[in-house]
Amino acid sequence: DTEVTQTPKHLVMGMTNKKSLKCEQHMGHRAMYWYKQKAKKPPELMFVYSYEKLSINESVPSRFSPECPNSSLLNLHLHALQPEDSALYLCASSQDPPPGAEAFFGQGTRLTVV
Amino acid sequence: SQELEQSPQSLIVQEGKNLTINCTSSKTLYGLYWYKQKYGEGLIFLMMLQKGGEEKSHEKITAKLDEKKQQSSLHITASQPSHAGIYLCGADVYAGGTSYGKLTFGQGTILTVHP
Repeated sequence: DTEVTQTPKHLVMGMTNKKSLKCEQHMGHRAMYWYKQKAKKPPELMFVYSYEKLSINESVPSRFSPECPNSSLLNLHLHALQPEDSALYLCASSQDPPPGAEAFFGQGTRLTVV
Repeated sequence: SQELEQSPQSLIVQEGKNLTINCTSSKTLYGLYWYKQKYGEGLIFLMMLQKGGEEKSHEKITAKLDEKKQQSSLHITASQPSHAGIYLCGADVYAGGTSYGKLTFGQGTILTVHP
């Protein structure tokens, strides 16, 4: 099983809303990631969790708040987003923290901020 | 930060033709990954290369790593419409400290295969 599951697949939210993106993996992976991808651009790293601890935050605005409740779950809490935050949000996991560990990606959540 | 240049940016081929996509790094490579993405979907892991001269194959796709040139190539033999998509190379950034272990991507190559 090399599956990373993301929910929801699509999300439309207003700028005053609070919502959460969820990511789940049952491969026993010890590193999990959030990426943001704008149209026709490569994915950009946002956060890395290693052994359930935040190890990398790529200077992401505080309106994005990650959470790792346990080794299988990764959430991204969203609050007071801007229209420019509309993008495909990808979750990934790897057996070990990078470097040298292939990451498996979920199908993404298509977020639209109105 | 790691900078990865992919070429070409887009490629249109006839079914059955061979093709090559290149990925060049401006910094030392510590791990090179190839992914495929259908528009609006997640990334599918293809291959990971770690050692200079390493070559891996999966079905009709072969990837090589030239550590001296800091370059990797992805070669598809006898392309099929199912190969169409966006091919992304990714690499581990190693700069010590907080930059250690950060997978970043090239701009991608859009492949179209005409039947």
